[in-house]
Amino acid sequence: DVQLVESGGGLVQPGGSLRLSCAASGFAFGTYWMTWVRQAPGKGREWVATIKEDGSDKYYVDSVKGRFTISRDNAKNSLYLQMNSLRAEDTAVYSCARDQKLGIDLVREGMDVWGQGTTVTVSS
Amino acid sequence: EIVMTQSPATLSVSPGERATLSCRASQSVRSHFAWYQQKPGQAPRLLIYRASTRATGVPARFSGSGSGTEFTLTISSLQSEDSAVYFCHQYDNWPPRDTFGQGTKLEI
Repeated sequence: DVQLVESGGGLVQPGGSLRLSCAASGFAFGTYWMTWVRQAPGKGREWVATIKEDGSDKYYVDSVKGRFTISRDNAKNSLYLQMNSLRAEDTAVYSCARDQKLGIDLVREGMDVWGQGTTVTVSS
Repeated sequence: EIVMTQSPATLSVSPGERATLSCRASQSVRSHFAWYQQKPGQAPRLLIYRASTRATGVPARFSGSGSGTEFTLTISSLQSEDSAVYFCHQYDNWPPRDTFGQGTKLEI
């Protein structure tokens, strides 16, 4: 089965750090762009970051630039999100998702596989 | 930032009837638009991409339409299993700056 499983969430104090992981299985992980999406309590989903299949290009929402780093290890079929200088407003459920690809130049056509998410709470 | 506004926030429809969900973008996203379904305790499921193309395995009861700034998800012959939150997603920007709608809760 195609699957994404997140881990690494928890309670952290403001200013602290956390590293989220996303374990992929059932598909050729290294050939897909991957994305992190979060949903804060009572709010809509927010795109956080996207990484190219080989890790060479990374994109971030403005609110996390300079604080979060998306990365991947294709040999381990794993996606990561290193979160530093955490703020209360970063509290959310963080989900990883696979960007659907339709061809060589069509690499982001919706997100066709999602994980269940891992909860990050930033509070003192 | 492109703001995605969904309506209504909640929709109650009887089994066998049709539901129409809307999503409006604050500026044109062409057809770089998707709909998702999320049931309680489950991960989101891609229903529609490119505004009107059904994803693999999605029943023909689900149809998407629209382009530019106005999009519609129509679910015909509603079944109890269609109860879920439906949310929209635009992926038009390059470099990526995706945004999502707040979601519509559909009650059957």
